[in-house]
Amino acid sequence: GAGVSQSPSNKVTEKGKDVELRCDPISGHTALYWYRQSLGQGLEFLIYFQGNSAPDKSGLPSDRFSAERTGGSVSTLTIQRTQQEDSAVYLCASSLERLAAGELFFGEGSRLTVL
Amino acid sequence: AQTVTQSQPEMSVQEAETVTLSCTYDTSESDYYLFWYKQPPSRQMILVIRQEAYKQQNATENRFSVNFQKAAKSFSLKISDSQLGDAAMYFCAYRSQRGGKLIFGQGTELSVKP
Repeated sequence: GAGVSQSPSNKVTEKGKDVELRCDPISGHTALYWYRQSLGQGLEFLIYFQGNSAPDKSGLPSDRFSAERTGGSVSTLTIQRTQQEDSAVYLCASSLERLAAGELFFGEGSRLTVL
Repeated sequence: AQTVTQSQPEMSVQEAETVTLSCTYDTSESDYYLFWYKQPPSRQMILVIRQEAYKQQNATENRFSVNFQKAAKSFSLKISDSQLGDAAMYFCAYRSQRGGKLIFGQGTELSVKP
């Protein structure tokens, strides 16, 4: 597709279960970002990839959160042993290069609900 | 650490009128980039306008313009001739000249009344 694709769009899970959220960036985009948006809140940075490496993972809230990117393309955000406070919309974005002026293109997000 | 503050959680404007959304930021850097993003109910964030800190001229994109006051660390968004489709959440964002993550404010929800 032409834009950033995220799946699933909605995920309901039980507390304690693991979840995986997928992001497929725009083809050729080397930079990829994960953000979290809680209800009515701003965007909280989680992690940034340049290629397959993550030079900034300072926003990951705990060791239950991890992310990887393979082949410089698809990225997976994994949340282990989910908690109710993990409920949020997880947004992925990509950009053509790491230059500061570059526009970030966002996906529509994955809404996670932890019961 | 850099921070971005949007002090107006909600704003309302009459269709065809002009509205200004406020944003302030804090940084010790001299060169950086500022952005306004729009998030409609569909959730997909869309870039509205961007400003390079080293440019004194305020950026303009059709009905959208900014008032960039570097010394005051202020970056407001003006929407002229407001349209119903402008109703959305608007986020101000900061990015270091070194690139990397965008730092977002808390957002301002704009409603447009017909």
